[in-house]
Amino acid sequence: NTVMTQSPTSMFTSVGDRVTMSCEASQNVGINVGWYQQKTGQSPKRLIYWASNRDTGVPDRFTGSGSGTDFTLTISNMQAEDPAIYYCLQHNSYPYTFGAGTKLELK
Amino acid sequence: QVKLLQSGAALVKPGDSVKMSCKASGYTFTDYIIHWVKQSHGKSLECIGYINPYSDITNYNENFKTKATLTVDKSSSTAFMEFSRLTSEDSTIYYCAREASFGVDYWGPGVMVTVSS
Repeated sequence: NTVMTQSPTSMFTSVGDRVTMSCEASQNVGINVGWYQQKTGQSPKRLIYWASNRDTGVPDRFTGSGSGTDFTLTISNMQAEDPAIYYCLQHNSYPYTFGAGTKLELK
Repeated sequence: QVKLLQSGAALVKPGDSVKMSCKASGYTFTDYIIHWVKQSHGKSLECIGYINPYSDITNYNENFKTKATLTVDKSSSTAFMEFSRLTSEDSTIYYCAREASFGVDYWGPGVMVTVSS
């Protein structure tokens, strides 16, 4: 199975900060990666598909990049509504696998 | 708009089975695969299996092959997952989610399953 190693595990940020989190795949997954935001008590919401495409309605401060084994999600201007756990998901081969998540909190 | 409506929370006894549902609306049910995902407390997400509602073809994560059974009812646009021989480790939240050509997009709200005597 493809292991998705996500880092950091958690981070504290401030409104207006630029935030970067990473996901490394144990094998080449092409661009078959999505990024999801999960707020407390809610189901995951996809932000990015095919590694770098923003879903409809997702603010342009969210940017995804990468291909192959290394992927990044960047929030260019942290907002008060952005604290959540962010997960990457590879859907290149089944079983699809998620990263362990990056918990993003405000200072 | 696309919606996946899941059944309500379940309280079941150890060793029993539970069958949960996921009713789709806002799109053609048979055009998209339905996934089931487990989210353990304090842990990440894990794919259980998926079903193609058009062909009824299923594929399971090896970890859940003897645990989960996926079915659909095309007439009601509903997917089902039956989880058997439940233990306390199965007490958690289960999601259904839709897969489009560009990945898993829409998710249901989740079902909380509690296994307790």
